[in-house]
Amino acid sequence: EAAVTQSPRSKVAVTGGKVTLSCHQTNNHDYMYWYRQDTGHGLRLIHYSYVADSTEKGDIPDGYKASRPSQENFSLILELASLSQTAVYFCASSLDWGGYAEQFFGPGTRLTVL
Amino acid sequence: QQKVQQSPESLIVPEGAMTSLNCTFSDSASQYFAWYRQHSGKAPKALMSIFSNGEKEEGRFTIHLNKASLHFSLHIRDSQPSDSALYLCAVIASGGNYKPTFGKGTSLVVHP
Repeated sequence: EAAVTQSPRSKVAVTGGKVTLSCHQTNNHDYMYWYRQDTGHGLRLIHYSYVADSTEKGDIPDGYKASRPSQENFSLILELASLSQTAVYFCASSLDWGGYAEQFFGPGTRLTVL
Repeated sequence: QQKVQQSPESLIVPEGAMTSLNCTFSDSASQYFAWYRQHSGKAPKALMSIFSNGEKEEGRFTIHLNKASLHFSLHIRDSQPSDSALYLCAVIASGGNYKPTFGKGTSLVVHP
């Protein structure tokens, strides 16, 4: 089965600090995604990428940056963490958008900003 | 921007019941439709997907798609307590915009 790992699994950060969430996949998938999940909001797309060294904005990119240095790795960066960014963050990968668009999710990172 | 809405928000059914979950979308050019299941504290996991109008069955699960009505649904036959989870629908539009859009989810509880 496709494998997506995330680190750290949980993190407490201070307001105004920098936070980096990391994602690694061994699926040989081109597409990678970062979502946040909040109660009552389902999954909301922050950034995504379909090729190394390129990222695209999702639906809620403000306050977040993304980096895709290789096919396997995709990072989410919060330059100035804020209270409103407390959430669970999921990374996912997929082979393609069309016939193979099933997304495989990592275990999630619970981020608490104090 | 694609709008995806799910109903109901929550559902409680007895074991053995038929469960129906609904998802509506706004972009008529959407091409990929999927259901994901997320058990409490776990990652979402793909359940079923469909591309063309009609019906697809896998075991106790059936997905219906009606593009003209901008609606697709998931039906669970003989619901089990292990089916208790958050169900998320996902839609991907066409035209080079590969952004997937998820609904907010339906929380299902199947009681013994």
